[in-house]
Amino acid sequence: AQSVTQLDSQVPVFEEAPVELRCNYSSSVSVYLFWYVQYPNQGLQLLLKYLSGSTLVKGINGFEAEFNKSQTSFHLRKPSFHISDTAEYFCAVSGAGRRALTFGSGTRLQVQP
Amino acid sequence: DSGVTQTPKHLITATGQRVTLRCSPRSGDLSVYWYQQSLDQGLQFLIQYYNGEERAKGNILERFSAQQFPDLHSELNLSSLELGDSALYFCASSVAALGRGDTGELFFGEGSRLTVL
Repeated sequence: AQSVTQLDSQVPVFEEAPVELRCNYSSSVSVYLFWYVQYPNQGLQLLLKYLSGSTLVKGINGFEAEFNKSQTSFHLRKPSFHISDTAEYFCAVSGAGRRALTFGSGTRLQVQP
Repeated sequence: DSGVTQTPKHLITATGQRVTLRCSPRSGDLSVYWYQQSLDQGLQFLIQYYNGEERAKGNILERFSAQQFPDLHSELNLSSLELGDSALYFCASSVAALGRGDTGELFFGEGSRLTVL
């Protein structure tokens, strides 16, 4: 079985400040990893994904994440957040059999001016 | 726009009632997934269909059922509704044929918000 832990349920951040959103996973097999974003009153949108290859993954809107197999982590970073980035961020893992994604509990990011 | 369409967007009903949520996947996607999002449980996987057949089951209650039709749209039926069933229900789709480069990437609709009073 696979699971995802997002340690921070809520992260306040000031505009144009860098932030790292933490994600740790557990799985007995190789995994694919994802970060999704949910803006208020909307569905989930894919930010980026790690399938294989380079451990540093770049996504949309300046987001990036680093896959660390030894630490079973996939932390999300952005050098500068803006008010428009206020949303909830979900880490997800796809494991054995590539069945349904397992999501973390989400990190709510409130960007303040 | 993800290409996944869900109806209705909002639904208010009473305890004990039955509702049906509908989902049209992206054009060409064969797999449909249903997720429930609530404040206390987060995003919970309910069920997956692939090309009309049930493929995987998650935390789906016996009062809930789903199906995928020949045109690949899917319906989630919720019956004997309880207050605790109030949640946002998401449908997602993927190309997903296991063993054919399926990465697990999902494309989500905007959800159906169910309120049970």
